Amino acid sequence: DTGVSQDPRHKITKRGQNVTFRCDPISEHNRLYWYRQTLGQGPEFLTYFQNEAQLEKSRLLSDRFSAERPKGSFSTLEIQRTEQGDSAMYLCASSLRQGSYGNTIYFGEGSWLTVV
Amino acid sequence: SQQGEEDPQALSIQEGENATMNCSYKTSINNLQWYRQNSGRGLVHLILIRSNEREKHSGRLRVTLDTSKKSSSLLITASRAADTASYFCATDTGGGNKLTFGTGTQLKVEL
Repeated sequence: DTGVSQDPRHKITKRGQNVTFRCDPISEHNRLYWYRQTLGQGPEFLTYFQNEAQLEKSRLLSDRFSAERPKGSFSTLEIQRTEQGDSAMYLCASSLRQGSYGNTIYFGEGSWLTVV
Repeated sequence: SQQGEEDPQALSIQEGENATMNCSYKTSINNLQWYRQNSGRGLVHLILIRSNEREKHSGRLRVTLDTSKKSSSLLITASRAADTASYFCATDTGGGNKLTFGTGTQLKVEL
């Protein structure tokens, strides 16, 4: 049983460049989440998908950020015109929607972004 | 915004001792989940406790939940150096099963 896979693990980019991260969730998981984590803080929710539908976006997700999950499987998170404040670890997670009390959410290893 | 607050922010103990971390939150929840994070790595799920449960065990882990006080605790018994990590509580308030994390407790277990 493979876990949540993220690529690339590390990315260094110059300010103003675009970057894209990919996430492959656990197979059969219909929910996929993106979080952002800065040093010394807990992860903060960015957005989530149920199958291919993007159901919620945080106010943290500015217009420069776009996430897709075109076939309800893998997802991409693109950041356009990167800024130094975008430097963080971007975490992807997935879960299986069932039950009324929610389910375990499994996280990937994260993608570190450094904007120089 | 962070819903949960872990206490203490940092904890240093000797191997073999027990470690207790507390988490407080603000709104009603469906469940509360504890995660471990080693430096620079992703989050590893430890345990989920539902809002209708009061206590759960998993190996050396014991989690309690008091919904009236909006608080939870994580107990790690007989700690090991490999338990050194940051520990986060995260609450699921429903509406999509997304989690809101606290600021974490940094646990250091010394030999």
